[in-house]
Amino acid sequence: QKEVEQNSGPLSVPEGAIASLNCTYSDRVSQSFFWYRQYSGKSPELIMSIYSNGDKEDGRFTAQLNKASQYVSLLIRDSQPSDSATYLCAVRNTGGFKTIFGAGTRLFVKA
Amino acid sequence: EAQVTQNPRYLITVTGKKLTVTCSQNMNHEYMSWYRQDPGLGLRQIYYSMNVEVTDKGDVPEGYKVSRKEKRNFPLILESPSPNQTSLYFCASSSQGAVYEQYFGPGTRLTVT
Repeated sequence: QKEVEQNSGPLSVPEGAIASLNCTYSDRVSQSFFWYRQYSGKSPELIMSIYSNGDKEDGRFTAQLNKASQYVSLLIRDSQPSDSATYLCAVRNTGGFKTIFGAGTRLFVKA
Repeated sequence: EAQVTQNPRYLITVTGKKLTVTCSQNMNHEYMSWYRQDPGLGLRQIYYSMNVEVTDKGDVPEGYKVSRKEKRNFPLILESPSPNQTSLYFCASSSQGAVYEQYFGPGTRLTVT
């Protein structure tokens, strides 16, 4: 079992729809969770971080964390073609310095 | 401008020829890390450093060396590169505060023939 799993996609949604990206992790002691966006040929950029159970909203983005289910998700509301990218889920343990990334989910937003 | 820089951006080399990829950050970050990215495998951590003279192995350290003599620099050394080290390499840094949000460099595409 991979430590951080994501559906590779591609996930295709129409412009204006909600895109839902999911991630599961295997290590129960994980404490810090991150979503990065990576455009083709570019470096990853951080878009959301979440540390507590529940929802965290930032503009059109909402991160959701459920530690009991070992599940973290990212919702993108009012999806735009410029949101088309690969979204990487990353997990880090408390006090640890290792970061484990999922393989990423490719998102296509159709105009 | 706050940034992480890497050099070179592209490199083609031959098996066994030692090379160094440099990484520098201007944000006074304590934590720095090296990753490689391969299709279908995502980002895998090679080495990381918590501060000057403090480094540790990530998940795929074999064939790589690092050093952290200055806070701003964290070079990646391939003493004897092999074709399986052909990959896209990223350096990242973050502050050692309550959050560990990493800022990535632009990447170095390495081809070993």
